[in-house]
Amino acid sequence: DTGVSQDPRHKITKRGQNVTFRCDPISEHNRLYWYRQTLGQGPEFLTYFQNEAQLEKSRLLSDRFSAERPKGSFSTLEIQRTEQGDSAMYLCASSPSGGAGGYEQYFGPGTRLTVT
Amino acid sequence: GNSVTQMEGPVTLSEEAFLTINCTYTATGYPSLFWYVQYPGEGLQLLLKATKADDKGSNKGFEATYRKETTSFHLEKGSVQVSDSAVYFCARPQMDSSYKLIFGSGTRLLVRP
Repeated sequence: DTGVSQDPRHKITKRGQNVTFRCDPISEHNRLYWYRQTLGQGPEFLTYFQNEAQLEKSRLLSDRFSAERPKGSFSTLEIQRTEQGDSAMYLCASSPSGGAGGYEQYFGPGTRLTVT
Repeated sequence: GNSVTQMEGPVTLSEEAFLTINCTYTATGYPSLFWYVQYPGEGLQLLLKATKADDKGSNKGFEATYRKETTSFHLEKGSVQVSDSAVYFCARPQMDSSYKLIFGSGTRLLVRP
């Protein structure tokens, strides 16, 4: 299977702890996106990378959040000093650049974070 | 502005009933339009897409037609199955350099046997 993968699938942590999530995109895709989805809502954009460059960050992404894509392949999303409001599903998606497919994105299974 | 609006759920149908989930969008120009489906505990799967006006996307018995006159992309299926129970999201890319997806709030479909 060469789809988008995410790890872990579930994470339970205590308030104040740091957590890190990993995303492995489809190998030939150079764009990688992070979204956050809360219960009953659609995904909301957090940030995206073109190769290793982080080109945009949403205002949703507070200073406690940081994302990297060091070699233009996998990406990590770290949340420091977690708060209960960070509890959500974190989704990663990838797409090829160029728009030939209409800018469709392919999603991973998500990491569900619960902060207690 | 740029937004996507979907009908609120849940939508509850009996098996083999006809399904329509409404979606309208606001945009400058004519962006691609997508329907994604999310099964419980999973990520989003691309169900179908249309890349220009008057295109019809179709997959697994689902269809949606890109109608620029009504700025709509309604999802339809002639005969739903219990296995179609999921949350359906309408989406479009923001037409700047990011092409990040803008999603509707989702419509939960429950199909009863």
